[in-house]
Amino acid sequence: GQSLEQPSEVTAVEGAIVQINCTYQTSGFYGLSWYQQHDGGAPTFLSYNALDGLEETGRFSSFLSRSDSYGYLLLQELQMKDSASYFCVGGGDSSYKLIFGSGTRLLVRP
Amino acid sequence: DAGITQSPRHKVTETGTPVTLRCHQTENHRYMYWYRQDPGHGLRLIHYSYGVKDTDKGEVSDGYSVSRSKTEDFLLTLESATSSQTSVYFCAISESGTGGTEAFFGQGTRLTVV
Repeated sequence: GQSLEQPSEVTAVEGAIVQINCTYQTSGFYGLSWYQQHDGGAPTFLSYNALDGLEETGRFSSFLSRSDSYGYLLLQELQMKDSASYFCVGGGDSSYKLIFGSGTRLLVRP
Repeated sequence: DAGITQSPRHKVTETGTPVTLRCHQTENHRYMYWYRQDPGHGLRLIHYSYGVKDTDKGEVSDGYSVSRSKTEDFLLTLESATSSQTSVYFCAISESGTGGTEAFFGQGTRLTVV
């Protein structure tokens, strides 16, 4: 089957760094992407990893290790507006499904 | 902003009635998806489409059907709505089915089945 597991909730202080982990079980995702969703809003794309290693986009970085079926999203210089839910998404196995992880709710405190 | 709209945005319906949600895109993207989101759950894939008339089941497809007769429209139908289908429904579009390109989401449809 296909499942992506994330911690349900993470709390961090403004200005700090936080890492959100994602472990997955699948027949073979092609890559891993990350989405952010604020309460009441729609998910928005943050990053994508097709290859092992680190991808950096501004304050956000994402890492993938396909051999370990593991990835993470790293958020630096946390801001209050980063309080949201974050989802890892696996895609592109033998089908065209985009499967969402269980989601991590990030709370940034002053 | 990507051109994707969902209609209706809110709907209240009675148990046992049929309901159709519409997703319309102006981006000419090949892939379209329907998800539901419930408290305590992430987004769960209901059905998806990889081209006109090409659809397949997702994780939670029971009780739902879809149709895609043209590129821009992807319809989700609840044949006989049940209270367990009360949820927020999101449509998404993507150029790629691998997740390698950004998927754009509609603003969601809040459906209440009473």
